[in-house]
Amino acid sequence: GAVVSQHPSRVICKSGTSVKIECRSLDFQATTMFWYRQFPKQSLMLMATSNEGSKATYEQGVEKDKFLINHASLTLSTLTVTSAHPEDSSFYICSARDDSAYYNEQFFGPGTRLTVL
Amino acid sequence: AQSVTQLDSHVSVSEGTPVLLRCNYSSSYSPSLFWYVQHPNKGLQLLLKYTSAATLVKGINGFEAEFKKSETSFHLTKPSAHMSDAAEYFCVVRSGAGNMLTFGGGTRLMVKP
Repeated sequence: GAVVSQHPSRVICKSGTSVKIECRSLDFQATTMFWYRQFPKQSLMLMATSNEGSKATYEQGVEKDKFLINHASLTLSTLTVTSAHPEDSSFYICSARDDSAYYNEQFFGPGTRLTVL
Repeated sequence: AQSVTQLDSHVSVSEGTPVLLRCNYSSSYSPSLFWYVQHPNKGLQLLLKYTSAATLVKGINGFEAEFKKSETSFHLTKPSAHMSDAAEYFCVVRSGAGNMLTFGGGTRLMVKP
């Protein structure tokens, strides 16, 4: 089946630093990838839709200058949390939509746990 | 607009007894519906999906769900719970342009020995 990887799986950083999270589709091409955020014991909230070769589309309330998204190839999207603060601590999950799948199914990565001290 | 309501935030069952996780949805279009499972600190694993074919959908690990349009429901069931089924379950709807996913609030399933 289709596999999506995320790197790193866990990161701890100091307040004020920037953190980059990678999302890769390993065996399929994904023109579109999605970034979600999940707070403890809560559901996933869509942050932004990442489109290869164009600007990401951010959901209402998500700061685009805070959460930089780059989708430079059909298999890689990156999310950079700039000037991270403790309130940015969360579980970040990406998904990739398989361009060739009949129902354009999304496949989810294993998530990245970000802790900002 | 679309939305998903998971009626129970927590469900507790004994091992070997049936599981019922409830999900109701609203959608302006013919929806596709999914159930995902998430174990602690892990990503999401697809259990099953409904995409306008058979209304009774069988998934992995003995789970199944029935799409009932008249009730706008897509409840997840399993005849006999196993300890390894303890996890968070999400009901998800996809419809309309862009194929955006909308997640329910999640149901935490606890399985007692």
